[in-house]
Parts: sequence; structure tokens; C-alpha cells
Amino acid sequence: GESVGLHLPTLSVQEGDNSIINCAYSNSASDYFIWYKQESGKGPQFIIDIRSNMDKRQGQRVTVLLNKTVKHLSLQIAATQPGDSAVYFCAVKGTGGYNKLIFGAGTRLAVHP
Amino acid sequence: GAVVSQHPSWVICKSGTSVKIECRSLDFQATTMFWYRQFPKQSLMLMATSNEGSKATYEQGVEKDKFLINHASLTLSTLTVTSAHPEDSSFYICSAKTTTSTDTQYFGPGTRLTVL
Repeated sequence: GESVGLHLPTLSVQEGDNSIINCAYSNSASDYFIWYKQESGKGPQFIIDIRSNMDKRQGQRVTVLLNKTVKHLSLQIAATQPGDSAVYFCAVKGTGGYNKLIFGAGTRLAVHP
Repeated sequence: GAVVSQHPSWVICKSGTSVKIECRSLDFQATTMFWYRQFPKQSLMLMATSNEGSKATYEQGVEKDKFLINHASLTLSTLTVTSAHPEDSSFYICSAKTTTSTDTQYFGPGTRLTVL
């Protein structure tokens, strides 16, 4: 079946540094990808999305890169702040019906002052 | 925009009782809502997909008679955990897809269920 994996369970960065969180997916037919941020005890918060017809998309302090050749996407956070500390999930739209999302395992981002 | 609420935010119940969780889209109409379950330090696992006015579609391994889902309107879906047991204790999260968006899901704040 389809799967989504993350390369690192925990990422520690210094405040002000850039953060890069990686994600791999298995289905080359996937055409929609989303990054969510989840703080403790809360629901996931939409950060940024990208479709398969794009390689890069930028938001405020965040950039998502998609490499369809190796089925990999990444989330880059510029000038990481303490408020960015959370668990980050990538999600891939399944190729079945109802636009199901398949979530990766999550990466915990810890920002140190 | 695209705000989703859940009620209650947390609930404690005795084993064998039933608990209903509500999911509402506050500022948009949602033809499709999704219910997820999340155990501590784990990812979100899709339980079922709920379409307004029709029966929910359950993921493999999810008991439809135990987790009753009703999507009676374009802004409300409910999940009822029947005859709850301690192993049902989890964080239940709903999401909703806007009718104008084909793919993006917006999530509620989650409901923490503890079964004693």
C-alpha cells in the first residue's frame, strides 16, 4: 500500500537557524502534498501545500520542495523561532477516492534559544 | 476562514458507556469530513470518511458498529464511540474539506477521550 515516511524523528535547531524537514513517499502517482504543524494537544494546522506540477512553493518563512524523481519532499523553515517548536507532518493525497490523506510519522522540531 | 471546531475538547467516561463527539465547520460548507485517531507520539490514522447525506466509508480494521458516524448536514458530523473501553482512549480529530477546494483538509482542535 501507499506509505509516507520521514527521515528523522527529532530535529533540534538553534533559534534563527534554518530548519529542513524531509519526507519520502511511495506512490509516484501522488499529485498533492501538504505539510501540517501540530502543537501538543492541538489539531494539525495547515502550513503549505504543493501539487505535482510544481517543484517549489514558498510561503511566509516556509518553502516546500518536491522532487518527484526520487519521491521526496521537504519543508524549509527560515529563521526558525521558538514558536515553530512542534511536530511536523507531511501528508500525501491518496490515489483512491474521497481525497484521503496519508500521513507520515512526524518530525518533532525543537528550537533552542 | 476554514475554521473547524470540535466538542467536547476532552471527555472522561466509564467503560461500557457511549460518547458522542461533534465536528463543525464554522465558516464553510463541508461535503466531506474525515475522522482520525491519534495515539500518543504517533501519527494520525484515518478512521473513516463521512459524506453529507450518505453512509460513512470506514478504513480497514475500524469497526463501523463501534464508531458510529453521522453527517446530517454540510456543517456537522458526529462520531459516537459505543461501549467504550480503555483501549479506545485516544485523541480524536476531525477534518473537513471545503466544497470549493478539491484537496485541502482543515482540522479541528481534537477531542481527548479517556475511558476509565
